[in-house]
Amino acid sequence: DAGITQSPRHKVTETGTPVTLRCHQTENHRYMYWYRQDPGHGLRLIHYSYGVKDTDKGEVSDGYSVSRSKTEDFLLTLESATSSQTSVYFCAISEASLDTQYFGPGTRLTVL
Amino acid sequence: SQQGEEDPQALSIQEGENATMNCSYKTSINNLQWYRQNSGRGLVHLILIRSNEREKHSGRLRVTLDTSKKSSSLLITASRAADTASYFCGYTGNQFYFGTGTSLTVIP
Repeated sequence: DAGITQSPRHKVTETGTPVTLRCHQTENHRYMYWYRQDPGHGLRLIHYSYGVKDTDKGEVSDGYSVSRSKTEDFLLTLESATSSQTSVYFCAISEASLDTQYFGPGTRLTVL
Repeated sequence: SQQGEEDPQALSIQEGENATMNCSYKTSINNLQWYRQNSGRGLVHLILIRSNEREKHSGRLRVTLDTSKKSSSLLITASRAADTASYFCGYTGNQFYFGTGTSLTVIP
């Protein structure tokens, strides 16, 4: 998986609790992305980062925040998880904005 | 939404046959990429075609791009059981979008 790890790989949590997912890369790529994958919707972009402390919103950013304090780490936070955020979350990286993306193994999140 | 659509949603073929899947997108693009996803895994990049290209080959893969119709197709020739996976197109408009995917089953 191109030097990308995600943690945790599985998480079950309750509605209203905060959740943070971590993406770590060893490739020194500038761009990092968070997607969610749901049946019938494919992958949808939540947030992305184009450098340390530089982030922007994607198509489905409501309810999510991100931070990138180091090149190698990109954090996705659900401030107050809801059942609609039950999904599989994928992190991806790329060297340039229009370039090939390399994906992590995913995190399965269940919000009860 | 600028999310693309793929058809068919599901495709089942015999080993050795060819598989064709199509992607319709909604924006002007710089390039279009195809990815494969095996069950429970992340996406793996297969091939990239730039907006000024019309056809590209890589091994058993052939990709075409028609920017006037905002569509692309992926052809897998001489399919194998190991090709069983979901296939997604991805493209860049004002951000990166993926299609909804085609689930391919290759029967040995």
